[in-house]
Amino acid sequence: GEKVEQHESTLSVREGDSAVINCTYTDTASSYFPWYKQEAGKSLHFVIDIRSNVDRKQSQRLIVLLDKKAKRFSLHITATQPEDSAIYFCAASMDTNTGKLTFGDGTVLTVKP
Amino acid sequence: ETAVFQTPNYHVTQVGNEVSFNCKQTLGHDTMYWYKQDSKKLLKIMFSYNNKQLIVNETVPRRFSPQSSDKAHLNLRIKSVEPEDSAVYLCASSYGTGPYEQYFGPGTRLTVL
Repeated sequence: GEKVEQHESTLSVREGDSAVINCTYTDTASSYFPWYKQEAGKSLHFVIDIRSNVDRKQSQRLIVLLDKKAKRFSLHITATQPEDSAIYFCAASMDTNTGKLTFGDGTVLTVKP
Repeated sequence: ETAVFQTPNYHVTQVGNEVSFNCKQTLGHDTMYWYKQDSKKLLKIMFSYNNKQLIVNETVPRRFSPQSSDKAHLNLRIKSVEPEDSAVYLCASSYGTGPYEQYFGPGTRLTVL
């Protein structure tokens, strides 16, 4: 089955800097790659996604890049703010019949003022 | 604004007891999911239903049994809980079988003594 590896288990940046979280996946059939944010003591919240028909997507300060050849995708958070501090999970799905997601292990992002 | 509701928030029980968790979504989605998030924050899909039909049934112990009465409700029963069942159980919903953005509930934290 699909495996998703999230390369940074922790990441610390200064407020205003950019943060980059990298993920790789194993199954070339995967076509949907969402990112979720989990703040301390809270549940998961969708932040952005990308599908395999594009290689870049931006939503305000969030940019997702997809490299299908390398089976790699990344989340870029620009102009970070303290409220960006959270656990970020990447995920991949190859199943258009069920929407089943395979999650990475999460990256704890700390934005220091 | 919460649109995926889970009860109870917390549950503490003894090994061997039976527990039931409930989930309801008011988003009009037709697919619902159960995830398990362990103490290391690792997320694993357990089950998924689409319009009351089981469409994802991962390899979980047989003491776990989901049930869906209609597309807005999804329950999870655990017969004879074990210490390794201690975790947060997250319910989510999405539009269609996707893959699409999933909306997560606040979770039910189970502690097995």
